[in-house]
Amino acid sequence: DSGVTQTPKHLITATGQRVTLRCSPRSGDLSVYWYQQSLDQGLQFLIQYYNGEERAKGNILERFSAQQFPDLHSELNLSSLELGDSALYFCASSLQGDRRYEQYFGPGTRLTVT
Amino acid sequence: AQKVTQAQTEISVVEKEDVTLDCVYETRDTTYYLFWYKQPPSGELVFLIRRNSFDEQNEISGRYSWNFQKSTSSFNFTITASQVVDSAVYFCALSLDSSYKLIFGSGTRLLVRP
Repeated sequence: DSGVTQTPKHLITATGQRVTLRCSPRSGDLSVYWYQQSLDQGLQFLIQYYNGEERAKGNILERFSAQQFPDLHSELNLSSLELGDSALYFCASSLQGDRRYEQYFGPGTRLTVT
Repeated sequence: AQKVTQAQTEISVVEKEDVTLDCVYETRDTTYYLFWYKQPPSGELVFLIRRNSFDEQNEISGRYSWNFQKSTSSFNFTITASQVVDSAVYFCALSLDSSYKLIFGSGTRLLVRP
């Protein structure tokens, strides 16, 4: 158990809908990352937050957005969903200091768009 | 551009065999970090090891060992006396000093047969 929690574990929704994925980082971690794992794209970095502020953006679609709240939990919002958005979405968190590059991953949220 | 290549898509071995998973990376940065993660059938990503670019010492942890060679830009992972529980997809990843995101390889699926 990495200490990172993600809810829900599974999500099935229809095209055009909007969903919210939630992540709670490990205790003490200030940085949260979101990744998407799909069969055709592999594991891709989406976005990073550090202590409530956006730090870096990767291959995140404009239909997707995220935020990190004062209690450090994060939410990833996916809107106008398409079939191709079906994937496993991971949240990861990391410590500060010389170990800040170790990212610990949550169990993931499997999103199925029908 | 930064890139991680895991040329072995799938490896199948019989229990107790030794197996090496290859990882080749590309970056022009002089400071970078290399990682290995394990993704068992249950789906979560489990952190195995982190290596800094300025530390080329090989590392051994139980049945696991890692060989980092900057001259060939490789960071290979060897499992000694493999066990069925080692069956998983293994990902090699790269992180740069200038960015906290992880750049993943495409993964190697390891199947250990009884």
